[in-house]
Amino acid sequence: AQSVTQPDIHITVSEGASLELRCNYSYGATPYLFWYVQSPGQGLQLLLKYFSGDTLVQGIKGFEAEFKRSQSSFNLRKPSVHWSDAAEYFCAVVGGTYKYIFGTGTRLKVLA
Amino acid sequence: NAGVTQTPKFQVLKTGQSMTLQCAQDMNHEYMSWYRQDPGMGLRLIHYSVGAGITDQGEVPNGYNVSRSTTEDFPLRLLSAAPSQTSVYFCASSFQRGGSDTQYFGPGTRLTVL
Repeated sequence: AQSVTQPDIHITVSEGASLELRCNYSYGATPYLFWYVQSPGQGLQLLLKYFSGDTLVQGIKGFEAEFKRSQSSFNLRKPSVHWSDAAEYFCAVVGGTYKYIFGTGTRLKVLA
Repeated sequence: NAGVTQTPKFQVLKTGQSMTLQCAQDMNHEYMSWYRQDPGMGLRLIHYSVGAGITDQGEVPNGYNVSRSTTEDFPLRLLSAAPSQTSVYFCASSFQRGGSDTQYFGPGTRLTVL
């Protein structure tokens, strides 16, 4: 069965610093991979997704993610964080059964 | 388009009461799903549907029922509420059933069971 691990529960970065959020997945084949963001009191919004092809995926708000099959990872990155990026970030995987499996989330705090 | 709508936004129940959380989408999406979100647990799939008349269980289906009589609506029923069902519930939909499509989430329903 597929699974997702986000090892960092909380991350704090200074505004303007770079960011990397980790995501590791478990699945027998190449899965569909997603990153979603949730602002306080809101639903989830898609940042980016990977299905196949180029392993570096560009998303909204200046985010990107790289699929690394050998490491079973799909880490999210941003070169320069803005205060408005403070939110909770979820990685998700979909295997062959239509079931989305979400990680437990990483809460990002941005220092001014 | 209104997107995915959920009602109510907040609800307080007593143990043993029943209720239905409503979810509707106006995007003609085939795939709809229900999640619960608990602190430190992320989102866990309760039930999902790949089209009208077709539903299946997710990770945590116990205590919940669903049906899908129309493409637009996917209600979630709690038959006998328990304190363990205190959570925030999100409904989501996507155009294609294959899992590769973006899911659009509703604003959530915050449920407290006393």
